[in-house]
Amino acid sequence: DAGVIQSPRHEVTEMGQEVTLRCKPISGHNSLFWYRQTMMRGLELLIYFNNNVPIDDSGMPEDRFSAKMPNASFSTLKIQPSEPRDSAVYFCASSFSGPNEQFFGPGTRLTVL
Amino acid sequence: KQEVTQIPAALSVPEGENLVLNCSFTDSAIYNLQWFRQDPGKGLTSLLLIQSSQREQTSGRLNASLDKSSGRSTLYIAASQPGDSATYLCAVKYGNKLVFGAGTILRVKS
Repeated sequence: DAGVIQSPRHEVTEMGQEVTLRCKPISGHNSLFWYRQTMMRGLELLIYFNNNVPIDDSGMPEDRFSAKMPNASFSTLKIQPSEPRDSAVYFCASSFSGPNEQFFGPGTRLTVL
Repeated sequence: KQEVTQIPAALSVPEGENLVLNCSFTDSAIYNLQWFRQDPGKGLTSLLLIQSSQREQTSGRLNASLDKSSGRSTLYIAASQPGDSATYLCAVKYGNKLVFGAGTILRVKS
């Protein structure tokens, strides 16, 4: 199994630009999670999907952030417009729904200049 | 508020020592608790998952315990090795949501 796949692994962009992060969950998993990790705030849940439906987006910082899951094998997290304070590592994770183990992707390191 | 605290924040030990990492959580209505390892610049690797009805889980040199009533979990690492050096994260699951501690940075010196 390839595990959770994220792309790109690194992204450097300028303030004001649109950024799109991509995630392919483990095949068969029906829950998908987007997290953000910073030195100051640690790991925070941004949004999660169950069966492609957003269930809880209370962690999304503001309207500049949006996430979609058009099918069971693909999700995107978009930031428009990006700001320097969005610089962080963004992780995607997937699991079977319920009290099951979550598996994390390698992350996307985003730097907004 | 659901909070997860890890103690110590950092730990440096000589190779071969047995060690204990601590995790405490404020809300005992958990689904499960998961311990992760994170190497610098890398993603999270799941080490052990303990369901709320379980008391402990073991994998190789790792043993994790859970005391839900007191809101505590420990990760025990036996015979530590330099390759164990990493950040160890405790995450508590509430519903479908994981709440993470800040982690313990472990350094095992050879």
